[in-house]
Amino acid sequence: GAVVSQHPSWVICKSGTSVKIECRSLDFQATTMFWYRQFPKQSLMLMATSNEGSKATYEQGVEKDKFLINHASLTLSTLTVTSAHPEDSSFYICSAREGLADSGKLFFGSGTQLSVL
Amino acid sequence: GQNIDQPTEMTATEGAIVQINCTYQTSGFNGLFWYQQHAGEAPTFLSYNVLDGLEEKGRFSSFLSRSKGYSYLLLKELQMKDSASYLCAVMDSNYQLIWGAGTKLIIKP
Repeated sequence: GAVVSQHPSWVICKSGTSVKIECRSLDFQATTMFWYRQFPKQSLMLMATSNEGSKATYEQGVEKDKFLINHASLTLSTLTVTSAHPEDSSFYICSAREGLADSGKLFFGSGTQLSVL
Repeated sequence: GQNIDQPTEMTATEGAIVQINCTYQTSGFNGLFWYQQHAGEAPTFLSYNVLDGLEEKGRFSSFLSRSKGYSYLLLKELQMKDSASYLCAVMDSNYQLIWGAGTKLIIKP
């Protein structure tokens, strides 16, 4: 199956710093990637849909100036958490679709556990 | 509004069978997915149903009834490694995935 690589796997940072998370599709081209966050014992919450070559589409309640998404190529999307604060501590997961837009089968990255001190 | 319901937690015994139910109310329907997620890891794809009926894949089977807005995931011959959360997700008319909160499955020896 298709492989999505995400790194770093975990990061600890000081409050006020910015953190960049990368998501790469290794063996397929992903015109669309998705960014989720997940709090302990809760389900995935879609933050934004990242489209190659265009601006990301953010879900309601997600601050686009705080969570910067860049999808510069068909295989790479990045999420930058700017001026991180302790409440941003969470598990962030990216995913990508292989194939047509109506294919719901997603391949997930391994996730990034962010801890903001 | 759109809603996916599944039990929060279930417990089963190693070697037994367990059925995890999922009911949904969404704006349109383009398929239902089941994902497995181990603690601290990302979800992995298990199954996809778009037509009514049972899809069998090894020890796991998934059933769908579109008229009832209902699906279940059936796990047979349970193994300890099956302890995980199982997420039900429905693709709506806009091809957006709506996620359930997940069912934590605990397997006891």
